[in-house]
Amino acid sequence: QKEVEQDPGPLSVPEGAIVSLNCTYSNSAFQYFMWYRQYSRKGPELLMYTYSSGNKEDGRFTAQVDKSSKYISLFIRDSQPSDSATYLCAMSLGAYGNNRLAFGKGNQVVVIP
Amino acid sequence: EAQVTQNPRYLITVTGKKLTVTCSQNMNHEYMSWYRQDPGLGLRQIYYSMNVEVTDKGDVPEGYKVSRKEKRNFPLILESPSPNQTSLYFCASSFHLAGGQETQYFGPGTRLLVL
Repeated sequence: QKEVEQDPGPLSVPEGAIVSLNCTYSNSAFQYFMWYRQYSRKGPELLMYTYSSGNKEDGRFTAQVDKSSKYISLFIRDSQPSDSATYLCAMSLGAYGNNRLAFGKGNQVVVIP
Repeated sequence: EAQVTQNPRYLITVTGKKLTVTCSQNMNHEYMSWYRQDPGLGLRQIYYSMNVEVTDKGDVPEGYKVSRKEKRNFPLILESPSPNQTSLYFCASSFHLAGGQETQYFGPGTRLLVL
């Protein structure tokens, strides 16, 4: 079983729709959960992070973590064409000195005007 | 401006010809990493460094070397490149999130083609 599973998509949605992305993972010791956005020909940039279970909201973006189900989600409300990118989930154990991130394969999102 | 820089951004080389990809960060971060990104495989960590002169293998270290003689620089060395090392490479520098965890700040990438 892969450490982090993410359906690569692609996912096409009309402008204004809600985008829903998710990842599952196998290591119950993961404590920090992140979402990165990667535009074509660019490096990943940190979008959202969450510690342990719960929800976090930042503008149009909401990240959810359900540690009991080993499942994390990212929701993008009122999607815009500028949200078209690949979204990668990542997670780590969080111990000091252990900054190894386990990444999902990424989910390509296309927002159609 | 806080940033991670990589050079070169694009490189075409031939099998067996040693090459170095440089990485530099201006944020005084202790942690730096190298990743490769391949279609269908996602981001995979090659090597990471927790501080000057402290490096360790990531998930796919075979065929690569690194060094960390200065805090700001973390070059990736391919002693004898092979076609299966054709990939998109990212250097990353770590910064602290609230709560103490560190996460990665990525460079712009180096696209390498080995013929």
